[in-house]
Amino acid sequence: DAGITQSPRHKVTETGTPVTLRCHQTENHRYMYWYRQDPGHGLRLIHYSYGVKDTDKGEVSDGYSVSRSKTEDFLLTLESATSSQTSVYFCAISRGQGDSPLHFGNGTRLTVT
Amino acid sequence: GENVEQHPSTLSVQEGDSAVIKCTYSDSASNYFPWYKQELGKGPQLIIDIRSNVGEKKDQRIAVTLNKTAKHFSLHITETQPEDSAVYFCAASPSTGFQKLVFGTGTRLLVSP
Repeated sequence: DAGITQSPRHKVTETGTPVTLRCHQTENHRYMYWYRQDPGHGLRLIHYSYGVKDTDKGEVSDGYSVSRSKTEDFLLTLESATSSQTSVYFCAISRGQGDSPLHFGNGTRLTVT
Repeated sequence: GENVEQHPSTLSVQEGDSAVIKCTYSDSASNYFPWYKQELGKGPQLIIDIRSNVGEKKDQRIAVTLNKTAKHFSLHITETQPEDSAVYFCAASPSTGFQKLVFGTGTRLLVSP
């Protein structure tokens, strides 16, 4: 899986609690992404990073923040989880931009009760 | 922004038959069109992609066709096998500038022995 590890793989949390998901890569790729996958919506981009400490918002960024302090790690934080954030979250990496292929991790299934 | 529609949402075929999945896109600036296969419990994996300077691309039993005038592209799988059963996603993005892939909603393909 292109050297991408997501942790945890599964998490159940309560509404209003903070949650942090981690993505770790061993490929030294510059670009990293967080997507969420929901039935009927496909994959939607939450945030992305184009370098250490360089991040930007995607299509569905409200309620999420990210940080990238090292090339290999990209963290996704839900400051105060809501039931609408119950989803499967995927991290992806790419070597370049434009038509450079995305490589995905195996996902984190998050349930907010 | 870009909008990608994908049909059908589910597709059942007999082993050995062909399967076709179709996508349309809205942004004429898009010129990179990848297809991803997602198996249960795993992240999407790139199986083939096409750029707008090419009308068709083949890789063994898989082919993708692109009609830029009509803004649609299709995935063709011939001689289907049970291991082809998965969810398939199409996507579109401009190949220059920052990659912001927009995904279709997915097609669940079931190949029966």
